[in-house]
Order: sequence, then structure tokens, then C-alpha cells
Amino acid sequence: GESVGLHLPTLSVQEGDNSIINCAYSNSASDYFIWYKQESGKGPQFIIDIRSNMDKRQGQRVTVLLNKTVKHLSLQIAATQPGDSAVYFCAENGQSGGYQKVTFGTGTKLQVIP
Amino acid sequence: DSGVTQTPKHLITATGQRVTLRCSPRSGDLSVYWYQQSLDQGLQFLIQYYNGEERAKGNILERFSAQQFPDLHSELNLSSLELGDSALYFCASSITAGAGGYTFGSGTRLTVV
Repeated sequence: GESVGLHLPTLSVQEGDNSIINCAYSNSASDYFIWYKQESGKGPQFIIDIRSNMDKRQGQRVTVLLNKTVKHLSLQIAATQPGDSAVYFCAENGQSGGYQKVTFGTGTKLQVIP
Repeated sequence: DSGVTQTPKHLITATGQRVTLRCSPRSGDLSVYWYQQSLDQGLQFLIQYYNGEERAKGNILERFSAQQFPDLHSELNLSSLELGDSALYFCASSITAGAGGYTFGSGTRLTVV
């Protein structure tokens, strides 16, 4: 069945270092991928997305890499700041039962050490 | 403020009871999605509505039901509540019924005692 998962449930990073959060997906037909950030007590917030016809997309301090060969997605955060501490979810969008469906991974908790 | 409004923010109720969670989507969004997030768990998709019609169903229990009204707001009804139903319930909205980033509300924290 379709599934989206994360390799590391918790990631601790020193402030100022770069963070890399990984995600594996299983639905090779997924055509769109999204990263969300969820701070404590808040709803998930859209960070960056990438379509399956791309392998890299950059935003402000964030980069998403997509490797369709191994069905792997990563989120890179440059110069990690305390405000980046949150749970990060990857999500894949693909066809399911004739409809577009978004499936979320279980999340990785990023802890930034001051 | 994301533009997606969920009420109430907190709800405490007893087992066996029924509650209704409400969601107003972002202005212009036609699609509403409901998700359940238990402690230390990911987001479990429950159900989606698009312009008043049910579009997709996830792992939604038979004790749960939802609807989207003509003004596009949505309600999630949870009945015969059990302790295990305690969770955060998120509503998200999007313009279309398909691919795209969702805008999430801040959630309703349900505690069943």
C-alpha cells in the first residue's frame, strides 16, 4: 500500500549548523511532494513543495531534494535557528481511488541546541 | 492567522458522548480536509469535502461523520466517544480538490475522560 515514512524520528542540531531531514515514500506514482512544519500547539504550516519533474527546489534557507530513483525526499535547512525547532512532516500527493490524495509521514522532531 | 478557523480550541467530554467540531475554510477555498493527530503520531486523514460533496475518505470510524455546508464550512461529528478518541483534530482547506499545499487551522484538542 501507499506509505510515507521518515528515517529519523528526532534530530538534534547545533544552532548555526545545517539540518537535513529525510523522508522515504513508496508510491512511485506520486507527482507532488510537500514539507510542513508544525510548531508546538499549532497546525502544520506549508514550507516548500516540489513536483516530480524536478529534483531540487530552493526557498529561503530551505532546499528540498527529490530522488525518484530511490523514492527519497529530503529537506535541508541552512544555518538552523532556534525558531526552526518543530516537527517536520513530508507529504506525498498521488492518485488513490480515482482521486488525488495527500499522505503524510509520521514526522521528524528537530531540536535546535543553542 | 492561517485563515482557517476551527472551533472550539479545546473540548473535554466524557466517554459515550457526542461532540461537533467546526471548521471555516480560508476564503475562496472549496475543499476541506479533516485530520486526526494523536500524541506523537502523524496526521491521519479522515475525510475530504469539495464544494459540499464528499470527495475522499480515509481511516474514519463509523462513529464519526462529517459534512460541508453550502457556505463551505464543515463540521466533524464524533459520537460514542472513547478514551482513544482523545487527539488533536485539524481541518485544512485548499482551493482545488487535488494537488496543492493545504492551509491548516490551529486544531481542536479533544480530551475524552
